[in-house]
Amino acid sequence: DAGITQSPRHKVTETGTPVTLRCHQTENHRYMYWYRQDPGHGLRLIHYSYGVKDTDKGEVSDGYSVSRSKTEDFLLTLESATSSQTSVYFCAISDRRNSNQPQHFGDGTRLSIL
Amino acid sequence: GESVGLHLPTLSVQEGDNSIINCAYSNSASDYFIWYKQESGKGPQFIIDIRSNMDKRQGQRVTVLLNKTVKHLSLQIAATQPGDSAVYFCAETAGNQFYFGTGTSLTVIP
Repeated sequence: DAGITQSPRHKVTETGTPVTLRCHQTENHRYMYWYRQDPGHGLRLIHYSYGVKDTDKGEVSDGYSVSRSKTEDFLLTLESATSSQTSVYFCAISDRRNSNQPQHFGDGTRLSIL
Repeated sequence: GESVGLHLPTLSVQEGDNSIINCAYSNSASDYFIWYKQESGKGPQFIIDIRSNMDKRQGQRVTVLLNKTVKHLSLQIAATQPGDSAVYFCAETAGNQFYFGTGTSLTVIP
């Protein structure tokens, strides 16, 4: 298994509170991604990073911010959580230096916003 | 945007039979495709991939077929086992971003 650790694995919080999810990798991969997974939808990209301090938005980035201060860590922050952000969040990594490569996923964080 | 979907949301097969899971994609520029397996409570696990310059690729008990003419991808699992029960979904990319299907739930009947 790819060395990807997501924390926390489960979290319940209230609307309006800030939430930070962490993704830690031990593979030294350049690319890191945050997705959300909801019933009836495929994985949807929130934000991704192509290097330290280099990030970009995905298709569902509203209400989320990210930071990457070290190669191994990619943080996802919900500044003021809303019920619509209740979801399962997955971090993924890839190393695409030379050709297309698959993304490898962590085991997810199940987030409930009450 | 991209459209990646599956023909059937659920599939039940007898243990030992072969399974076929299908996926349609809409972007003719997509050049790389992946199949993932996702078990309950876990993240997607890479199974097999194929590039657009290939029609078929085989792994251990799995085969992926790519038909670019009709933009169709399939995953064949030989001698399906109870441990194969999971959700399977495909992904495609034509650049930096991947697009994922919603998945097919495979149930293996002992």
